Formats: sequence, C-alpha cells, structure tokens
Amino acid sequence: NAGVTQTPKFQVLKTGQSMTLQCAQDMNHEYMSWYRQDPGMGLRLIHYSVGAGITDQGEVPNGYNVSRSTTEDFPLRLLSAAPSQTSVYFCASSSLGTLGREQFFGPGTRLTVL
Amino acid sequence: GESVGLHLPTLSVQEGDNSIINCAYSNSASDYFIWYKQESGKGPQFIIDIRSNMDKRQGQRVTVLLNKTVKHLSLQIAATQPGDSAVYFCAEISLSGTYKYIFGTGTRLKVLA
Repeated sequence: NAGVTQTPKFQVLKTGQSMTLQCAQDMNHEYMSWYRQDPGMGLRLIHYSVGAGITDQGEVPNGYNVSRSTTEDFPLRLLSAAPSQTSVYFCASSSLGTLGREQFFGPGTRLTVL
Repeated sequence: GESVGLHLPTLSVQEGDNSIINCAYSNSASDYFIWYKQESGKGPQFIIDIRSNMDKRQGQRVTVLLNKTVKHLSLQIAATQPGDSAVYFCAEISLSGTYKYIFGTGTRLKVLA
C-alpha cells in the first residue's frame, strides 16, 4: 500500500492564481481531511469528508474548495491564492470503522504564495 | 470556542529519563483524545488514543492519562530515546455528528544525549 499520497511536494504561486492540491489514499478509508500547518503551529482543519459525495467545512474553510467524487481522491482547490495561504498542507485519511481516531497523514505540500 | 492547547512549548529531557507531555482541552463532549508525533519534514503519526470514559491507557513505552475533572491529558514516554525527539500534538474528536478533529499547538521534545 502506498498509504496517503500528496502532489505536488512543493509549489510556488503568485497572488490570485488558482491551483489544486492532490490527495489520494489506497486504504479504502471513508474519512479524508485537509489541514494546514503554519510555522510553529498545530494543524487546523480546512475541510473533511466522511464518504464519496459528502464534504463539510472545518475550522478554516475560506478560500478553499473540496470535492469527493471517489473514495480514493480528495483534492483541495485554492480559488485565488493569497499570501496568507502560505503554509504546509497535509491530507489525512482514516477508517470510520475505528471511528476515525487513527488518521494516516500524507507527506505534505509546502505552498508559498508570493 | 472549543480548543485543545498545551502548557509547554519545548521539553528537554535526558536520554533514558521519562518524559511527560501535557495538554489541556476545553470540549467536555469529545469522545476520544489522541496523541500524534511529528518528525521534522513529515506528517503526523498516530501514537495512542484514549476514550473519554477511560482514565489511563498504556502502549509500548507510552501511557496516556486523562483527567476529566480538570480537562487534562498527558502523554508519558518511558526511557526516552533520541528517536523520540519530535513535536507531539494532542487532538480530540467528537463523534456526535461531525467527526471534527481539533489539534493542539504542539510540544517539541528534545532528547539530550
């Protein structure tokens, strides 16, 4: 199993550009989520999904969109990048069979917005 | 609002000593409390969790204690090793409808040789 994969690993954007961060998992997990981690900070939940076709907002959803058309993929779209979105983005997945307690994280995408 | 926080941002311990990392939480309705370890440049990794109706749970070299009276969570690491150097996060999840995870800000553990 590859686990949770994220692409790209690094990205530099200009203010106003849009892009999609990719996340995929091969563990057949129902629950998937996106977090951002700013320097010296914890993880803040952006959006999450408990299954295909179901998404919900987390703590900091503004400026981001998600969709969940398949169990495996959960892309995060930045609509119009802003310097405040410079961060490291982590995708995670877990099985609702374990009540979502143990999340498996991807390696992260380091995003810089100029 | 709901929050999970930590008392100590950095903890330095001698190799072989026991480490205790603390965390305060505010949401009494959380069902599980979880500890994660994050090494530099990597995503967080699950260590151990505890259900809200328990007060202690042990794993391999780790013990989590939950004190609901004072809303306090701690992670004890026995015989701390250099490989334990990392940032440790506590997190909580409520399963009543939302499945939202809330993470604390983290404590950096430094193991001194």
